[in-house]
Amino acid sequence: QKEVEQNSGPLSVPEGAIASLNCTYSDRVSQSFFWYRQYSGKSPELIMSIYSNGDKEDGRFTAQLNKASQYVSLLIRDSQPSDSATYLCAVNLSGGGADGLTFGKGTHLIIQP
Amino acid sequence: DARVTQTPRHKVTEMGQEVTMRCQPILGHNTVFWYRQTMMQGLELLAYFRNRAPLDDSGMPKDRFSAEMPDATLATLKIQPSEPRDSAVYFCASGLGTIPTYNEQFFGPGTRLTVL
Repeated sequence: QKEVEQNSGPLSVPEGAIASLNCTYSDRVSQSFFWYRQYSGKSPELIMSIYSNGDKEDGRFTAQLNKASQYVSLLIRDSQPSDSATYLCAVNLSGGGADGLTFGKGTHLIIQP
Repeated sequence: DARVTQTPRHKVTEMGQEVTMRCQPILGHNTVFWYRQTMMQGLELLAYFRNRAPLDDSGMPKDRFSAEMPDATLATLKIQPSEPRDSAVYFCASGLGTIPTYNEQFFGPGTRLTVL
């Protein structure tokens, strides 16, 4: 069965530290990978996309992809209380074009002031 | 407008009633997705369209759910008859469907459905 797995948490990180979120996926043909942030009662918000192996940085966020090991991670530097949310990993498991995404169940991140 | 819009935002109905949810994708986006989110199952893909043509509806219960895209600015998801187990938040998302960001999807605010 094609899956995306995340640790549900909660993951508690002190303010100013680096938060590290991990995700594994089951299908080797997957080509596109995303991190969404979802605040309680709100819709998912796209914060990072990554398509090739290695690191991709955008402000305080870094996405890391390792296709051989089938994992993708998100690092949040200088964590702020406003980063407290559920982070959803999403993968296009089919490896095709503009197809639907398979989401993990999310990691609940708490940034402690 | 550069946002996906959905109506209604909240819907409470009784079992057996018909429910219709509407979505306006971001102007220029050619791919529209319907997702459902529950605490138990998380976020699940129900169906999606590209250039208004349905491409995959394997995530939908076929006997009661239907999805259509009457024109490029409107997608609908209908449940008839509704059941308590359909209670969830239903999200519409849209995307450009072009390389290299072809799978980036942007979500609307959702419709919170409660079936009593």
